[in-house]
Amino acid sequence: AQSVSQHNHHVILSEAASLELGCNYSYGGTVNLFWYVQYPGQHLQLLLKYFSGDPLVKGIKGFEAEFIKSKFSFNLRKPSVQWSDTAEYFCAAGPGSGTYKYIFGTGTRLKVLA
Amino acid sequence: ETGVTQSPTHLIKTRGQQVTLRCSSQSGHNTVSWYQQALGQGPQFIFQYYREEENGRGNFPPRFSGLQFPNYSSELNVNALELDDSALYLCASSHQQAGGGHEQFFGPGTRLTVL
Repeated sequence: AQSVSQHNHHVILSEAASLELGCNYSYGGTVNLFWYVQYPGQHLQLLLKYFSGDPLVKGIKGFEAEFIKSKFSFNLRKPSVQWSDTAEYFCAAGPGSGTYKYIFGTGTRLKVLA
Repeated sequence: ETGVTQSPTHLIKTRGQQVTLRCSSQSGHNTVSWYQQALGQGPQFIFQYYREEENGRGNFPPRFSGLQFPNYSSELNVNALELDDSALYLCASSHQQAGGGHEQFFGPGTRLTVL
């Protein structure tokens, strides 16, 4: 069965700390991977995406993620978080072709303390 | 460029009633997907419309139905509302093209409360 797992449901960090949010997927066939962010009161916004090629993907606001096929993982990283990174983060997987439905993880709530 | 818009923002209904939610897709996009996001959960895929036809469906009963119009806007209809239908309903638009992945752009959602 297709699934996306996010290991950390709540994360609290101080400003300037490094961030790594885990994401593992179970998905048959070619997979596209995404990280979305939802700031308080706002809609889902794309942080970064992986379709193919370089497994290290850089996104907006200093975020990056690494696709490790052998581990079925797509972890999100940021070297130094800011208070404004407080938000909920969702990992999602979609097929390389066909009906383009995303499977989302349950999300990780990040709180950054000033 | 106009993003994805949804209406209404909030809606309160009672059990057994019917509801219609609306979505205008982003300019240039031909595909609309609907998701249900229950409190504390990630979005769950309901169905997708491409060129006015349902193009895939998640694990939702037939009382969840939809339409896509020639201008690519879309409606989600839910009949015989149940308490568990209370959730944020998200619309996402994308431009589907052959052989490749594509990203979806999400609207702000409609918060449905069923009493």
